Amino acid sequence: DAKTTQPPSMDCAEGRAANLPCNHSTISGNEYVYWYRQIHSQGPQYIIHGLKNNETNEMASLIITEDRKSSTLILPHATLRDTAVYYCIVRVYFRGANNLFFGTGTRLTVIP
Amino acid sequence: DSGVTQTPKHLITATGQRVTLRCSPRSGDLSVYWYQQSLDQGLQFLIQYYNGEERAKGNILERFSAQQFPDLHSELNLSSLELGDSALYFCASSVGSGSPGNTIYFGEGSWLTVV
Repeated sequence: DAKTTQPPSMDCAEGRAANLPCNHSTISGNEYVYWYRQIHSQGPQYIIHGLKNNETNEMASLIITEDRKSSTLILPHATLRDTAVYYCIVRVYFRGANNLFFGTGTRLTVIP
Repeated sequence: DSGVTQTPKHLITATGQRVTLRCSPRSGDLSVYWYQQSLDQGLQFLIQYYNGEERAKGNILERFSAQQFPDLHSELNLSSLELGDSALYFCASSVGSGSPGNTIYFGEGSWLTVV
């Protein structure tokens, strides 16, 4: 089962920052937080991941709280093409490997 | 483009039949993962192979099986198909055996429709 809680849906105005929250209060010390998105029925697209420190790449920024119980994905300037379902995933050790277990995600709609 | 290649993109078959889905991982990746996405179940982890060996097993039915070949491509075999097996099947790959810091990249999926 997913160890994360996300709002089911959010709207964001085009050109504004989209801030997607995620709660993972039961995260363990060596478990990473990953973010993926899925546009329509395409394959999940990797966005970013982190363990303790904040991370930034060309797509987004990931802010992880000091207690690691929650995080926020930031898309700095949302465009219409960012409309998608965003998944926050705690990568857990399960049956011999660290795999991804997807929850229901947040459906982000970017509004013109 | 993630570099993970899946074929076929679309497949329609009848109940009771058997199909094989194929996946080529990204160059250099040794792990292959299979996921199923249906309307009512979301994205479900099925199975992982690392360098030809089964590494982890998720919610994979006994009617389904997979293997990874020496050239690292993988096949997911679905047999005795039922209407409920209609879904998107995703393959993914990563460089390592499943270290939590190694990113997993997904292909574009194979649409299976069972009629």
